[in-house]
Amino acid sequence: DQQVKQNSPSLSVQEGRISILNCDYTNSMFDYFLWYKKYPAEGPTFLISISSIKDKNEDGRFTVFLNKSAKHLSLHIVPSQPGDSAVYFCAASDTGANSKLTFGKGITLSVRP
Amino acid sequence: DAMVIQNPRYQVTQFGKPVTLSCSQTLNHNVMYWYQQKSSQAPKLLFHYYDKDFNNEADTPDNFQSRRPNTSFCFLDIRSPGLGDAAMYLCATSRGAGGALTDTQYFGPGTRLTVL
Repeated sequence: DQQVKQNSPSLSVQEGRISILNCDYTNSMFDYFLWYKKYPAEGPTFLISISSIKDKNEDGRFTVFLNKSAKHLSLHIVPSQPGDSAVYFCAASDTGANSKLTFGKGITLSVRP
Repeated sequence: DAMVIQNPRYQVTQFGKPVTLSCSQTLNHNVMYWYQQKSSQAPKLLFHYYDKDFNNEADTPDNFQSRRPNTSFCFLDIRSPGLGDAAMYLCATSRGAGGALTDTQYFGPGTRLTVL
């Protein structure tokens, strides 16, 4: 039972354009969301996070949007660069004392020069 | 640089032959995690240590054990690897301030396990 779903396994965009990576969740107790980026032969690296008290968090070229009513979040990368080509994992948790991260399957982003 | 180190990067073992994967960290973090990731799937948490307290996930098979002899090191022991245990094994750490497990997790590069 996947509680965090990344339904599109891959995305290809042109350099300079916007990349939009989507993530859906089913557990209404989730209140903290993160995006991790993973290059081949490396471990996932934290990219950006958002708490459920916000609907947007921005860090440079990366913005995460949260729609709690739809249980949906998205990561926007603009402008996209070839170095952004990687696998992007969405993760979620609740902030209880023994909470843990639940990951999605990941989306492979390819940015074409 | 402070980091999470996993050794070896690639491990080949035989069906049923015990194997140990190693993780070390220089971040002095309280929490250490072991994840299993199979191809095109989400990383799956096996267990974690909060300091010396071991927390096993309910669906982690008994075949998987872990040891944390000190703050810096954590080991994953697979007692009798089966073909289905072939996967990438990721170690991660987090600060775990105030008991929360949702602070940023820092991952090692992973160990890819092959079972022959």
